[in-house]
Amino acid sequence: DVKVTQSSRYLVKRTGEKVFLECVQDMDHENMFWYRQDPGLGLRLIYFSYDVKMKEKGDIPEGYSVSREKKERFSLILESASTNQTSMYLCASSFRQHNQPQHFGDGTRLSIL
Amino acid sequence: GESVGLHLPTLSVQEGDNSIINCAYSNSASDYFIWYKQESGKGPQFIIDIRSNMDKRQGQRVTVLLNKTVKHLSLQIAATQPGDSAVYFCAEVWAGTALIFGKGTTLSVSS
Repeated sequence: DVKVTQSSRYLVKRTGEKVFLECVQDMDHENMFWYRQDPGLGLRLIYFSYDVKMKEKGDIPEGYSVSREKKERFSLILESASTNQTSMYLCASSFRQHNQPQHFGDGTRLSIL
Repeated sequence: GESVGLHLPTLSVQEGDNSIINCAYSNSASDYFIWYKQESGKGPQFIIDIRSNMDKRQGQRVTVLLNKTVKHLSLQIAATQPGDSAVYFCAEVWAGTALIFGKGTTLSVSS
């Protein structure tokens, strides 16, 4: 089975802090994604990566950056956390081939105080 | 926008009934669609997918129907069980990027 592991289930940080969310997948997937999920808004794509050291902006990249130094690991960085970044963050991965399903981790619920 | 099939934010059914969850997609160029199930406290779980060259695909107790004419997708769950209670949402995939659209449908199964 595909395993996508997010390092923290719950995280509480303060406004202005730099926050790192980590995601690791064990299926040798080329593609990795970061989403946030908010009530009434569904899932929204923040950033994605098709390969090591490669990144592409999604729909809502403002206030975020990412790092993909190794194929299995994709990090989401909140440069200076703000209260409007309180959310559920979901990581996903998939094979590069066309039309492959994305597989999700169980999410990190991040609260910014 | 919505055309055929009404998207309902919640759906309540009795155990053993069949459930139908509807979804409309936005991009006529989308060529791949996925249904996910999300249980409370968990990430979305892949259920079934369908490519645009098909109009029906069946899995175990689930069937997905695709109507490209009206850009509509449906998920049918046969003999719904309490363990099927979750939020279901669909995704369209275009150019390799998944677009999760809609707010999902919460399915509640009572026994």
